[in-house]
Formats: sequence, C-alpha cells, structure tokens
Amino acid sequence: DAMVIQNPRYQVTQFGKPVTLSCSQTLNHNVMYWYQQKSSQAPKLLFHYYDKDFNNEADTPDNFQSRRPNTSFCFLDIRSPGLGDTAMYLCATSRDLAGYEAFFGQGTRLTVV
Amino acid sequence: DQQVKQNSPSLSVQEGRISILNCDYTNSMFDYFLWYKKYPAEGPTFLISISSIKDKNEDGRFTVFLNKSAKHLSLHIVPSQPGDSAVYFCAASGDYGGSQGNLIFGKGTKLSVKP
Repeated sequence: DAMVIQNPRYQVTQFGKPVTLSCSQTLNHNVMYWYQQKSSQAPKLLFHYYDKDFNNEADTPDNFQSRRPNTSFCFLDIRSPGLGDTAMYLCATSRDLAGYEAFFGQGTRLTVV
Repeated sequence: DQQVKQNSPSLSVQEGRISILNCDYTNSMFDYFLWYKKYPAEGPTFLISISSIKDKNEDGRFTVFLNKSAKHLSLHIVPSQPGDSAVYFCAASGDYGGSQGNLIFGKGTKLSVKP
C-alpha cells in the first residue's frame, strides 16, 4: 500500500494560473519535504516542514508556498506558474531530520502551458 | 555548484555481472549517504544507506562503500538483474548551517542491465 500519496499524478495548468499539488502520508512522520525535479537534473529541495515548523530553502522562489494543516497532509501552492516551473514535483516524508531515509511519493508531473 | 556529483549519466552492464555506480561529494559536513532507485513515472525508492562512521554496508545484492578521505561512495550490485534497470540517485545529508537532514541529490546514473 502506498504510504506517500501525491495527487494529481499529472497536472496541466495555464501560465499564471494558481495551482495546488497535494501530498498525504500514512507513516505519521514528522518531516515532509517538497522537491522539484526538472528533466535530467537532480531533485532540488524547495522546503520542508518539521511538524508545524516551516523551513524554506534560500533559493526557493516566492512564487512557491506550502501548507501543512495536519501531520498527514502537505500542499504545494504555485501562485503564478511560469513556463520554467514545468517539472516533476516530489513529496517525501522522513521520521526525523537526521539519519533517516526519506520516503517519496510517485510525484506530480506539472506542465505549464 | 553541485555538492553531490554522479559523473556517469549512464551505465550498461550484462546480466549476472557486477554494476558499480559512483558518487562524489564536496561537503565534508555530510555524514549520511543514501542511494535511491527510480523507475520512469515513479518517485525515488530508498535502496540502501550508510553513516559516515562506517565504510561499508551490505543488504543482499547491494553494497555501499564509503571512502571519506576521498569523499567518494559507490554502490555495487552483484549479480545485476534486468529488473535493476533504473536511474540511481546518490544523496547526502548532514547537520550543518540549518540544513540538518536536507537530502542533497546527484543528477543520477541510468543503469541498463542487458539479458
């Protein structure tokens, strides 16, 4: 059974139209991450939550926001998607910050047109 | 500036032989290293990890070696099977400068195991 579930699997959105990607977990992990992966590149961390504490990477654009209303759910909001935001978005969870593997969802393939 | 480097974008190996995937890192503060396997249209799946206090960790056909002085790790798959064909990502993390636990990934190596 899937432990980290991302919806939708595929999303097409228009340039400038806000879009929300969702992630849920059944592992009861403290940490939830959002990564962006562009073609042939390494997954790049956008931000993470440790419980309710939000940690933004310094180079994450302001266009990207996140919400974690409870332990199980985390959302990625892109306020005004640009063509350059076309990518795979990966959600991951981890029991704690250090020394534990992260479990990934299947990803959401976002296309901005 | 990449902190985790996988210099071989692809590797082709015959079934039954050994696959060796390499990874180099630049940040001496990394203390935990992981390998992930990724099939097309799926998220990465955790494979094996190693702490910096060890130089080897083995799990079935998979062994990870860590050479701290060279800032190098490798994943050995023996024997390789066609089902091992996937993209393999090396990742590293450490407790430094507010980046505790953040996984830094390499670009991946695409392994093809031919029957």
